[in-house]
Amino acid sequence: EIVMTQSPATLSVSPGARATLSCRASQSVSSNLAWYQQIPGQVPRLLIYGASTRATGIPARFSGSGSGTEFTLTISSLQSEDFAVYYCQHYNSWPYTFGQGTKLEIK
Amino acid sequence: EVQLVESGGGLVKPGGSLRISCAASGFTFSDAWMSWARQAPGKGLEWVGRIKSKTDRGTTDYAAPVKGRFSISRDDSKNTLYLQMNSLKTEDTAVYYCTTARNGYFWWGQGTLVTVSS
Repeated sequence: EIVMTQSPATLSVSPGARATLSCRASQSVSSNLAWYQQIPGQVPRLLIYGASTRATGIPARFSGSGSGTEFTLTISSLQSEDFAVYYCQHYNSWPYTFGQGTKLEIK
Repeated sequence: EVQLVESGGGLVKPGGSLRISCAASGFTFSDAWMSWARQAPGKGLEWVGRIKSKTDRGTTDYAAPVKGRFSISRDDSKNTLYLQMNSLKTEDTAVYYCTTARNGYFWWGQGTLVTVSS
């Protein structure tokens, strides 16, 4: 099973600033990597798939990069609605696995 | 528009069984690989299992914590996915989500809550 490790566990950032979230896979997942945003009580929202392609309706301030084992989600100019938990997930092979999540909180 | 609507969640005692369903629309269900994921209260996301299309033999795969206890099936004539859960444990308490993907683009249902408690 591929283990996905996200860092940091919690990230405190001021509104308007930039946030950088990391995700590392225990072995290569090529570009088969997705990022989700989840607000408590809501369904996970797909942000990025294929490591760098924004899902439908996702603002351009969200961007993904990386391949192989190292991935990054960058949110430029944080808005109030961006403070949430973010998960990465690989779908390179079964079992698909998620990272443990990064909580993005207001500084 | 892809729509996935789960139903059938509820309260069940440890050791009991429950079947939940997912009604799909907006895509060719018979061609789709379908999956279940779950999220325990206050915890992260976890894949439960998947079922391939009949074209791909309809084979199933399960995550280790549920293997041998859970079973995924599909009825392509009804565009419906099922998750049969047996020998339920308290740690199976979670919101269960139905998902499908095309080229890495994942769609999720709203989820149904399964509570395992005496």
